[in-house]
Amino acid sequence: ETGVTQTPRHLVMGMTNKKSLKCEQHLGHNAMYWYKQSAKKPLELMFVYSLEERVENNSVPSRFSPECPNSSHLFLHLHTLQPEDSALYLCASSPREEGGETQYFGPGTRLLVL
Amino acid sequence: AQSVTQLDSQVPVFEEAPVELRCNYSSSVSVYLFWYVQYPNQGLQLLLKYLSGSTLVKGINGFEAEFNKSQTSFHLRKPSVHISDTAEYFCAVRSVTGGGNKLTFGTGTQLKVEL
Repeated sequence: ETGVTQTPRHLVMGMTNKKSLKCEQHLGHNAMYWYKQSAKKPLELMFVYSLEERVENNSVPSRFSPECPNSSHLFLHLHTLQPEDSALYLCASSPREEGGETQYFGPGTRLLVL
Repeated sequence: AQSVTQLDSQVPVFEEAPVELRCNYSSSVSVYLFWYVQYPNQGLQLLLKYLSGSTLVKGINGFEAEFNKSQTSFHLRKPSVHISDTAEYFCAVRSVTGGGNKLTFGTGTQLKVEL
């Protein structure tokens, strides 16, 4: 048990739908991350939040919209996605942004866009 | 900027045999190095990390890795694998200074342990 939970675990949506992914951590960390994992590609860092402020946005399309209301929760709002957005979306957290601290990952949300 | 190369996409090995998963990196600055494991339908779990000090790092489940600065490598080894080690293994690096806690991952190596 890593202490990072993600819901839902699986999601199927059409290109015109709006949905949200939720991540919650109970580890007292103050940095949280969204990653995209596609087959045969390295994990892609999408967003980083530190102390509830977004500190990194890796040229992610605007159809992905993150939200971090507090240090324990992170959301990824999805709208008008494309089939190529189908992937495993992983959330992670760490004690703080700098240093060699370990990132702790959730189990991921498997997203399929039809 | 950094990059990580895991040349072997799949490594089949028999149970109780030794295994080495290769990782090479490229970076213009000093880095921290990590190995993560991902079991089916799960997120990534840290196996071990190198921050400083001894270049031989021991991790969980009997794994170890050796940092070789001259060869820019951080290969993962286990002297005797078990069926339960079947998983995907990811090597990652991050800058010692600057860049926040941004990890750069390799494409992963699928370890398949057979009887």
